[in-house]
Amino acid sequence: DAGVIQSPRHEVTEMGQEVTLRCKPISGHDYLFWYRQTMMRGLELLIYFNNNVPIDDSGMPEDRFSAKMPNASFSTLKIQPSEPRDSAVYFCASSPQGIGYQPQHFGDGTRLSIL
Amino acid sequence: GEDVEQSLFLSVREGDSSVINCTYTDSSSTYLYWYKQEPGAGLQLLTYIFSNMDMKQDQRLTVLLNKKDKHLSLRIADTQTGDSAIYFCAENGNFNKFYFGSGTKLNVKP
Repeated sequence: DAGVIQSPRHEVTEMGQEVTLRCKPISGHDYLFWYRQTMMRGLELLIYFNNNVPIDDSGMPEDRFSAKMPNASFSTLKIQPSEPRDSAVYFCASSPQGIGYQPQHFGDGTRLSIL
Repeated sequence: GEDVEQSLFLSVREGDSSVINCTYTDSSSTYLYWYKQEPGAGLQLLTYIFSNMDMKQDQRLTVLLNKKDKHLSLRIADTQTGDSAIYFCAENGNFNKFYFGSGTKLNVKP
C-alpha cells in the first residue's frame, strides 16, 4: 500500500514568494496532521483535520500560514509571503479514526529553504 | 498541555544495549508509541504499548511502561550501527492528536 505522499521533497525559494506544500494521505484515513521540524523547536504540530474539517489550528505560527483539505485525498499547506525563518522540514501524517490502536503514519517530508 | 520529555543524546558501542527513556504527563493516554527517524526521512513507527501493559517485547526491542511514574523506556538489544537515528516517544490524546517528545539522538559507535 502507498504511504503518505508529500511533494515536493525539496523546495528552495526566495523570501517573499508563495510556497505550497502538498500531501496525499493514506486512503481511508480520516485524520491528517501537518508538522514542522526544526533543530531549535523540534517537532511542532501546526494543524490537523478530521474528515476534511480543521479541528485545531492553534499551532499555525502566523496568518502567513494556511492549510486546506478540499477532499479526503489531498491537503495543502501554504505560506505567503515566505520568510527565511520558515525554513524547516514539513511533515504530513495521517491516521485512521476509531477507538484503540491508531498510529500516525508520516510522509518523508518537504525540506523547505527560504533564501 | 501534555509534556513529553526525553534526554537529547545517547551514545553506545555496537553490540551493547541501548535504553532510551521518556516521561509523559497524561495518565489517560491509552497507547504510547516509539518512532524512529533516520536522516532525511520521516518518522517511522517502531513499536507501541497499550497502557494496561507493563512490558512488550518485539525481537530486539523491549518497551517498559511504569504507569505510576508515567515513565516509558525503549531498550534495544545488541545495538547495531543501523540503529543510529533519532527516537521519539509519543502519547495519544483526544482526536488522535499525538504529543511527541523532543527526540533522543542515538549514536552507535563501531
